[in-house]
Order: sequence, then structure tokens, then C-alpha cells
Amino acid sequence: GQNIDQPTEMTATEGAIVQINCTYQTSGFNGLFWYQQHAGEAPTFLSYNVLDGLEEKGRFSSFLSRSKGYSYLLLKELQMKDSASYLCASMDSNYQLIWGAGTKLIIKP
Amino acid sequence: ETGVTQTPRHLVMGMTNKKSLKCEQHLGHNAMYWYKQSAKKPLELMFVYNFKEQTENNSVPSRFSPECPNSSHLFLHLHTLQPEDSALYLCASSQEEGQGGDTQYFGPGTRLTVL
Repeated sequence: GQNIDQPTEMTATEGAIVQINCTYQTSGFNGLFWYQQHAGEAPTFLSYNVLDGLEEKGRFSSFLSRSKGYSYLLLKELQMKDSASYLCASMDSNYQLIWGAGTKLIIKP
Repeated sequence: ETGVTQTPRHLVMGMTNKKSLKCEQHLGHNAMYWYKQSAKKPLELMFVYNFKEQTENNSVPSRFSPECPNSSHLFLHLHTLQPEDSALYLCASSQEEGQGGDTQYFGPGTRLTVL
């Protein structure tokens, strides 16, 4: 079967760094997406990785290892507004997104 | 209006009611999607339309009926729903289904409560 695993909840301190992990098992692979979703709002696109390695975009970076079926989202210089759920999704061989249940990130002052 | 919009934002309905959810995208995309989001569960894909043609029906009960009159508009018609159908219903659009890296853009969702 197809499966995406990510932690249910994480807590971090304002100004610190946090890494949110995601492991995936899908039928085929056409890339890994990360989305941010604030409570009551639309999921918004953060990153897409299809090749191994680290992609940096400002305070946010995303890493992919295809051989390990593993990705992480790295958030630096955390701000209170980063409190949100972070959704990991793998695109399978049919180009459908298989979603994780999301990681709720709580930022404390 | 920009991006993907959804109306209504909140809906409370009885099990015998008939209602419709509306989604509109202003991004010039050709694919549109309906998802169900329940608390602490992964997004569940319900329906996909690509160039107005339905390409995916993910074993959704017939009490949910989609309609896509053109590439910019998507409806979800609801009738005789059950309390377990209460959830956030999200609409998304993308450039074209079936392409690697095709990014989906979401609307804010309709929070549905079935009494």
C-alpha cells in the first residue's frame, strides 16, 4: 500500500530551528511536496523536490533522499507566524498526490 | 479576485437537505480537484477534472455529485448526507493533471457540518 508518515505534533522555540521529517512509500515517485496550512485556511505550497539534495528558499529548506524514501522540511529563525500544520505529499506513478496527516508545529516565545 | 475561491465558507445542513459547494479559480488552470479534510487525517481526494472531463472518482458515495461546467468552475452537489460527512471540503486547481511537478493551489475550504 501507499503510506506517508510524519510526526503528529512538534514544539519549538521562537528564533530556533526545527526539522520536520517525512517518510513515504508510494507506487512510483514523481516528486515530494510540502505545504503549510494555518488553522482554518487553505494549504499553501512551500516546496517541490524531485531530485536528491537540499533546496533552499529563504528561511525554509527541503531535502529529499529517494533511495531512503525520506524528506525533511527545515525551518530556520522560527517566527510565531510559522505556527501551522505542515503537510507532506508524494506524487505517485499516476501523478496523484498521496498525503500525510500533517505535522502541527507549535512555536513558543 | 485572485487564486482559488470557495463559497460558502461555512455550511450547516440537515441530513435531508440539498446544498451545493462552489469553487472558482482565477489562475488559468485546466485541472480542478475536490478533497475532504477530516481532523488528524490525510487529505482524501474525491474527484478530479482535467479540461472539464472527470478523470478520477475515488469511490465517493453517490450522495456527493460533482459538476464542472468549464475549467474555471467546479461544484459539489450534496444530498442526504450523513453526520460522518462533516469535514472541511477543499477545492484545488493545477495547470494540468498528469504532469510531474504539477503544483496544486487550494481554496480556503468550506467547513461543512451535517446535523
